Amino acid sequence: SQTIHQWPATLVQPVGSPLSLECTVEGTSNPNLYWYRQAAGRGLQLLFYSVGIGQISSEVPQNLSASRPQDRQFILSSKKLLLSDSGFYLCAWSWGSGNTGELFFGEGSRLTVL
Amino acid sequence: GDSVTQMEGPVTLSEEAFLTINCTYTATGYPSLFWYVQYPGEGLQLLLKATKADDKGSNKGFEATYRKETTSFHLEKGSVQVSDSAVYFCALSEWRGQNFVFGPGTRLSVLP
Repeated sequence: SQTIHQWPATLVQPVGSPLSLECTVEGTSNPNLYWYRQAAGRGLQLLFYSVGIGQISSEVPQNLSASRPQDRQFILSSKKLLLSDSGFYLCAWSWGSGNTGELFFGEGSRLTVL
Repeated sequence: GDSVTQMEGPVTLSEEAFLTINCTYTATGYPSLFWYVQYPGEGLQLLLKATKADDKGSNKGFEATYRKETTSFHLEKGSVQVSDSAVYFCALSEWRGQNFVFGPGTRLSVLP
């Protein structure tokens, strides 16, 4: 069966510090991978998605970046965090080929920037 | 572009009440439609889905029917429980599932 893990679950960082959130999928190959942000009490905002190693599409201009160094690993980074980067970050995957159109989400990472 | 509109709530109901959360969509093609649920502090879980017109998705007593003529996918449950308290997201996907669009979410609180 397929599983998705992301970490850390909770993170408190000062303004201007770097960020690295990691997401790993197991039990499948060549998945589509996604990073979403959920601000407090609000809906989901797609940040990045990837259809393969090294292939990243950015949906929203910001000070965040994403990388996919391996097939099932997706990393969200920032060199200098802003207060507005606080939120709940969700990694997700979907089938690459033979897509059923369903997203599978990780447990989420709550980031607080002080 | 594609979009999803749903009642934002919060919705507060008593246990065993009937639930309806409205969802309408705009899409250029023939999307698949989904309801996801998010319990406090957790990620999203798929609740149900429908992939073509007139399909009915159902799970855990929840139902939603894909209505192409009204571009709607309303979520219903006949008798809610306290454990149903969560945020519910309506969503659609097109283009082999690489383009997901979510509604803003509806917070449901069920009181005993």
